[in-house]
Amino acid sequence: GAVVSQHPSWVICKSGTSVKIECRSLDFQATTMFWYRQFPKQSLMLMATSNEGSKATYEQGVEKDKFLINHASLTLSTLTVTSAHPEDSSFYICSAREREEIFKETQYFGPGTRLLVL
Amino acid sequence: KQEVTQIPAALSVPEGENLVLNCSFTDSAIYNLQWFRQDPGKGLTSLLLIQSSQREQTSGRLNASLDKSSGRSTLYIAASQPGDSATYLCAVSFSGGGADGLTFGKGTHLIIQP
Repeated sequence: GAVVSQHPSWVICKSGTSVKIECRSLDFQATTMFWYRQFPKQSLMLMATSNEGSKATYEQGVEKDKFLINHASLTLSTLTVTSAHPEDSSFYICSAREREEIFKETQYFGPGTRLLVL
Repeated sequence: KQEVTQIPAALSVPEGENLVLNCSFTDSAIYNLQWFRQDPGKGLTSLLLIQSSQREQTSGRLNASLDKSSGRSTLYIAASQPGDSATYLCAVSFSGGGADGLTFGKGTHLIIQP
């Protein structure tokens, strides 16, 4: 149980295009989903917190107009990198917290999406 | 600024040895602490979660301890195996309350030599 999937697993795009990454909780409902970014040889950095049915909360330094987050249902959150540039190339990982397990605080992580912007 | 630091950054030991990975955090008012494993190019696998009220958690050959007052946690791996080779990440929920993301350390890259 508690499986989180991401799609696509990796993507290559041209500079200036927009890329959408999906994060799904497959066998549970997730009230809250988190988006992280990991640059090579660096740790994961929290980008934003996404709550179902409300606006995402972005961490300091993360441009909300560039990284659009939509959490339209209890099983799906999407991250859209708008007008991507080479410096946006990174490993993007989402996590989800099961609604029924909220007091246990365990986050279940997706397998990640590797983005390369040419 | 709330930070998580992991030492060492890399470690290589022969198979069968017991080893300890260290994690320190700057704010003792944590909600919980988790240890994860990350294989190259992959996502994260949760190993152990310690609530702020707990002092340790065990799972198989893994034991994680938490000392909030000193801002430290250790991950003990007994009888290491080549399959344990991975990057181990320590992550802290500083505020909790069910709504906060995690602050990660940079990880310890572990290699177990056959």
